[in-house]
Amino acid sequence: GIQVEQSPPDLILQEGANSTLRCNFSDSVNNLQWFHQNPWGQLINLFYIPSGTKQNGRLSATTVATERYSLLYISSSQTTDSGVYFCAVEETSGSRLTFGEGTQLTVNP
Amino acid sequence: GAGVSQSPRYKVAKRGQDVALRCDPISGHVSLFWYQQALGQGPEFLTYFQNEAQLDKSGLPSDRFFAERPEGSVSTLKIQRTQQEDSAVYLCASSLEGGGGLTEAFFGQGTRLTVV
Repeated sequence: GIQVEQSPPDLILQEGANSTLRCNFSDSVNNLQWFHQNPWGQLINLFYIPSGTKQNGRLSATTVATERYSLLYISSSQTTDSGVYFCAVEETSGSRLTFGEGTQLTVNP
Repeated sequence: GAGVSQSPRYKVAKRGQDVALRCDPISGHVSLFWYQQALGQGPEFLTYFQNEAQLDKSGLPSDRFFAERPEGSVSTLKIQRTQQEDSAVYLCASSLEGGGGLTEAFFGQGTRLTVV
């Protein structure tokens, strides 16, 4: 099956800093999503981005499907951005999402 | 409904007990998925329904796990004779379509199962 690798595994920032999270995948995909899992375990949809660039407030994402990677940018980070960020992909051969191991982000005041 | 709803939020089961976890997807969503998330890991696929048809159950870890969606809406994940390794968060997701269509998945809050 498809492999999804996220980096870095852990990231500690001071409030106000910027960061870039990376997701590499091993095969062509129909769909790529970025999620934020909050401390209560809820997976919050950030971006549905099989290709191209999208922006939503302080967050933006870029997927380069031909090179099999996606980037999530967080600018002017806030303590509420803390949590685990997951990248998940849907293979062209099926409907399931395959998740990476996540990036644990901690934003300190 | 407005979002995917799961119940119960927490379940403590004695080893050997049967449990049933419920998922109420977003109204009108054709596809429904169950995932299992162990502590510190990403969610892993269990099974997938398109309407009432279970199209993929390849992720179910054993024959003690059974899922159904009889009317193409609410789904139940049943675990028989629970074991300690079944302790995890069980997540349900739904999407409008499947198979390369409008596949953005929306997740419920999960059921945290602890087997003691």
